[in-house]
Amino acid sequence: GQNIDQPTEMTATEGAIVQINCTYQTSGFNGLFWYQQHAGEAPTFLSYNVLDGLEEKGRFSSFLSRSKGYSYLLLKELQMKDSASYLCAVMDSNYQLIWGAGTKLIIKP
Amino acid sequence: DAMVIQNPRYQVTQFGKPVTLSCSQTLNHNVMYWYQQKSSQAPKLLFHYYDKDFNNEADTPDNFQSRRPNTSFCFLDIRSPGLGDAAMYLCATSRGLYGTLSPATNEKLFFGSGTQLSVL
Repeated sequence: GQNIDQPTEMTATEGAIVQINCTYQTSGFNGLFWYQQHAGEAPTFLSYNVLDGLEEKGRFSSFLSRSKGYSYLLLKELQMKDSASYLCAVMDSNYQLIWGAGTKLIIKP
Repeated sequence: DAMVIQNPRYQVTQFGKPVTLSCSQTLNHNVMYWYQQKSSQAPKLLFHYYDKDFNNEADTPDNFQSRRPNTSFCFLDIRSPGLGDAAMYLCATSRGLYGTLSPATNEKLFFGSGTQLSVL
């Protein structure tokens, strides 16, 4: 079966750095997405990785290692508004999106 | 400048009473999707339309139907809602289907704000 694993919940302090990990086992790979979802709202696109390495976009960076089936989302200079769930989704060989259940990130002052 | 609009934001229905959720888009995207998301769970794809071509996921119950009368609008019909159908329903669009775009194109989903369905 296909599987995406993320921690259920993480807590971090305002101004700090947090890394949210995602591991996957899928039939093939055609890219990995990170989405942010605030409570009661729709997901919004954060990043897309298809090649190994780090993609930086402002305070957010996303890393991919295809050989390890592993990605992380790195959030720097945390702000209270970053409190949300972060969803990892992998596109398999059939271009189907396989979603993780999300990591709920709680930011404390 | 909402691009994918879902109505209503909250919907309450009775057990067994048909309900319709609506979605419209101003992006002129070819593909429209309906997802079901329960609390703290991954979104679950119910079906999608590529233009007028309807694609049902294998495990989507027959209780769920969809209509896309034109490019801009898509509807989700739940014929006989059960208590287990209470969830957030997300409509999303994409310009094309993954795999049909050039490798340089990062396709991504544009989501509406969702409709939270309660079943009493």
